[in-house]
Formats: sequence, structure tokens, C-alpha cells
Amino acid sequence: SQKIEQNSEALNIQEGKTATLTCNYTNYSPAYLQWYRQDPGRGPVFLLLIRENEKEKRKERLKVTFDTTLKQSLFHITASQPADSATYLCAIYNQGGKLIFGQGTELSVKP
Amino acid sequence: EAGVTQFPSHSVIEKGQTVTLRCDPISGHDNLYWYRRVMGKEIKFLLHFVKESKQDESGMPNNRFLAERTGGTYSTLKVQPAELEDSGVYFCASSQDEVAGYTFGSGTRLTVV
Repeated sequence: SQKIEQNSEALNIQEGKTATLTCNYTNYSPAYLQWYRQDPGRGPVFLLLIRENEKEKRKERLKVTFDTTLKQSLFHITASQPADSATYLCAIYNQGGKLIFGQGTELSVKP
Repeated sequence: EAGVTQFPSHSVIEKGQTVTLRCDPISGHDNLYWYRRVMGKEIKFLLHFVKESKQDESGMPNNRFLAERTGGTYSTLKVQPAELEDSGVYFCASSQDEVAGYTFGSGTRLTVV
């Protein structure tokens, strides 16, 4: 069956460290993958998009990798800050034209 | 630019009643999507409009749900009659094209009692 799996347990890290979140998928052939941030009571906010022919994408303190062989994307936040605390969602754009979301990983950055 | 607007932000209705949710996308965005998150689950796709046409409604749970997009502008999602399992947060999103990141609204929290 098709699945998108993100770390189900919350990730707690110290301010200044690098946070690494994982997104694994099964039985999908995504044309691209997106990462979103969601704060309580708000809708998801788009962060980054990476295509299947791209290995890595960066935006400020954010970095995303995409390994179609491992069927995995990693999302990194360097020099993390308490303001980065949120739930981060991985979403796959599958053939068929819609985004399919993982359950998300809650990140907590402690001062 | 104004974001995606949804209203109401909250709705509590009794089982069997009708509720209509509204979404105003970003002006000029042809693509409009409805998603739903039920407690403890991932955000799930409901349907996709391109302008006023339904491109994909494969995620609509059943025929109690009816979505429309008048003149390719705002969209409504009606649930009639509502059941307890319809409770959740309904999100609307829009995008300029299918490959671009989506802009989401803040959602409508629907509680059916």
C-alpha cells in the first residue's frame, strides 16, 4: 500500500543545533516533494519544493534532500531557534496531480 | 497580497444539519483545493478545482459532500446532512499552478455533535 511516514515522535533539540526531520515514502513515484510548516490553529505554510531530478535545495537556514533510490527526503534546519518550533509536514506530488501529506513531525527547540 | 480566506473559522452543528464552508482563494489562482484533517490523522485531499471545473474529486468521502466554485472565484463546500465523523478541520488552499507551493487558509474547525 502507499504510505508517507514521518517521525511520529516529537523532536526536541537545543537552540543552535541542527534539526533533521525524515520523510519516507512507499509505492509512490513523486514528481516532486514539498515541505510545509504548521503552527497550532493555522494552515500549513509552504517552505520548499524539490524535484525528482534535484538532490538538494537550500533556502536560508533550511536544506532539503531528495533520494529517489532510498525513497526518502531529509529536512534540515541549521542554527535552530525557539521560533522554529512547529509541526513540519512532508507532501508528495504524485502522478495524478494532487499533494499527499504525511502526518507531520512536531519540532520543539529549547532555549 | 491577501491570503486564502476561510469562514467560518469554527462551526458547531448537530448531526443531520447542513453546513456550508466558504473559501476565497488568492486572486488569480486558478487552482483551488479542499483538504480535511480529522483528529490524529494526516491532512487528506478532498478535491481540486481548476477555475470552475472539478479536476479531481476522488477524495470526497460520499455524496453528502458537495463542492462548487462559482465563476472560478470563491468556493463552497456543503455537508448535508452532517454526520459525527465529518468533524475535523477543513482547509482550503490555492496555487498559481499545480507545481507551485500551495497557500493554505487557516481552516474551518467543524464539530458535529
